[in-house]
Amino acid sequence: AQTVTQSQPEMSVQEAETVTLSCTYDTSESDYYLFWYKQPPSRQMILVIRQEAYKQQNATENRFSVNFQKAAKSFSLKISDSQLGDAAMYFCAYRSSMRYGANSKLTFGKGITLSVRP
Amino acid sequence: KAGVTQTPRYLIKTRGQQVTLSCSPISGHRSVSWYQQTPGQGLQFLFEYFSETQRNKGNFPGRFSGRQFSNSRSEMNVSTLELGDSALYLCASSLGTANEKLFFGSGTQLSVL
Repeated sequence: AQTVTQSQPEMSVQEAETVTLSCTYDTSESDYYLFWYKQPPSRQMILVIRQEAYKQQNATENRFSVNFQKAAKSFSLKISDSQLGDAAMYFCAYRSSMRYGANSKLTFGKGITLSVRP
Repeated sequence: KAGVTQTPRYLIKTRGQQVTLSCSPISGHRSVSWYQQTPGQGLQFLFEYFSETQRNKGNFPGRFSGRQFSNSRSEMNVSTLELGDSALYLCASSLGTANEKLFFGSGTQLSVL
């Protein structure tokens, strides 16, 4: 079974600064997907960024980028130019490739609460 | 395009009762997954339905069940409610046929007294 670990329960960043959220995972599969989801107080999970394991290039989405280290099974999220609206809970998640079986199951980490100081 | 809709937003029940939660996926999506979110256990996968068939199930007791209708709308039922069932229940929809993104609803907050 796959596991996802987010060891930092809380982090704080100054507005306009950069912050990195850590995530490690464990799997025996070679083909999979990794995600970072944001959950604001509205509770809706919003996809921030996605990484395919077979791609060596790190994914980027505007101010959000990842550092994907497949051998180390590490998947960190970097938020640049932090904004007040970035304050939320962030979850790292793992999903198996469909070639291991047809399902859409996500395995989540415990999450990290990010606060942004004005 | 409308997003994933979950009803109701809030629900209060007492121990021993049963409850039904509803999820309407994005139009065209055939997969609906359900997750339970609690402060202690985090987000845990309950089950997934695809084209009216359950194709994956998490490690929850039989009191938790679900179904999916021909229009892809899904319902989740919890019978004989326990205090520990108090949680945010989230559903997610996707096409379910490839490695595409999941889209989440805003959840139903269930409180069991």
